[in-house]
Parts: sequence; C-alpha cells; structure tokens
Amino acid sequence: EIVLTQSPGTLSLSPGERATLSCRASQSVSSSYLAWYQQKPGQAPRLLIYGASSRATGIPDRFSGSGSGTDFTLTISRLEPEDFAVYYCQQYGSFFGQGTKLEIK
Amino acid sequence: EVQLVQSGAEVKKPGESLRISCKGSGYSFTSYWISWVRQMPGKGLEWMGRIDPSDSYTNYSPSFQGHVTISADKSISTAYLQWSSLKASDTAMYYCARPVRVATDAFDIWGQGTMVTVSS
Repeated sequence: EIVLTQSPGTLSLSPGERATLSCRASQSVSSSYLAWYQQKPGQAPRLLIYGASSRATGIPDRFSGSGSGTDFTLTISRLEPEDFAVYYCQQYGSFFGQGTKLEIK
Repeated sequence: EVQLVQSGAEVKKPGESLRISCKGSGYSFTSYWISWVRQMPGKGLEWMGRIDPSDSYTNYSPSFQGHVTISADKSISTAYLQWSSLKASDTAMYYCARPVRVATDAFDIWGQGTMVTVSS
C-alpha cells in the first residue's frame, strides 16, 4: 500500500504570497495517477489538478502541479482570500494524503 | 448539468442497518465508475471503494472490505453504500464521486455528502 505524506501539516501565509505544498509517496507513483484537491469547511472536495499537472475545468491558472516519482508539488502562485482551505493529494487507486491546512497568517 | 445527488442525513443506533444512495444525472451513468469516500469528523479523506455501474463490478479498499457493500442500479442511475450492522465508529460524512475521465480516480464530480451519525 502506498502512503502519501503531505507537508507541512499547516502552512500560514498572507494573501498575495506564494504557497508550495508537498506530497511525498512511499514508493514511486506514475505521474498520470496523482491528483490534488481543495476542501473548504462544510463543502465537498474540489478537484484542482489531475495527472500531476493538468488543471481541472474552471481552475485558475495560479494553481499548478508538478513532480514525478515520489515527490509532487502543488503551487499557488499568488494566494487569494478564497484559497485558504485544506489541500489533499491523492494517488489513483485511491489513497489520499493526510492534508495540508493553508491558513491566513 | 452533471451532478451526483445523495440521500439525506441519517441518525442510527449501533447494530442497525443502513443504505445511502447517490443518483447521477446529466451524463451516461454506466460510463463512469462511482467511488465512495469517507470523512470522519475533523479528519481527512478515505477512499472506500468503487463500482462500475455497467456491470456492478466492485473494488474495495482493504480497510473497508467486508464492512460495507457498494452496489448500483443502472436502471435508475443510482449507486448505494450499505452497512448491515452499524458501529459508532461509522459516524462520518460519506461522499460519492465520479472521475474526470473513464477509468481514472481523479474525482471532479462529487455528491453533496451524506452525514451518518451512529449513536445509542
């Protein structure tokens, strides 16, 4: 079973700053099978990125995904107030990381 | 509009049975797998299993195999998640989800969630 470890657990930043979220897999993952989600309180998760780097429909281009093998990254280039939420990575098949909480500093 | 609509919140006692539902609309229901995802209060996402509505073939996470049953009725575009004997530890929000593409697990369509509370 693949274990996905996200870091940091909590990230405190200000609007306008750049956010870098990490997802590390316990064994190599095909880039085609890595996704990122955003979840706000009381809402269902929202798909941001699939195939490690493809943005889902309607996702702003300030969100980008990269990585391969065991190390993947979600980058938010300039934080907007609505971006503060919990973010999960997922390896198809279908394990989720434990989440990174992005909070306003 | 493509959507998944789940049944309403449930309050049950330990030992009771339960079936919750997820109805798809706006797309060919038999073309995409439906997965179920658990989120316990204040916790992260856990994939429980999936079903191919075209033939009802299922896959389960080892963590949930034998504890829940996933089924579907393609004639009414509805998937189900059921328990035969609930435990307090089954208290959680349950989501159904559909992938962005056929035969993948990146979920771009989610139901609104069904809150299940199990308490004596």
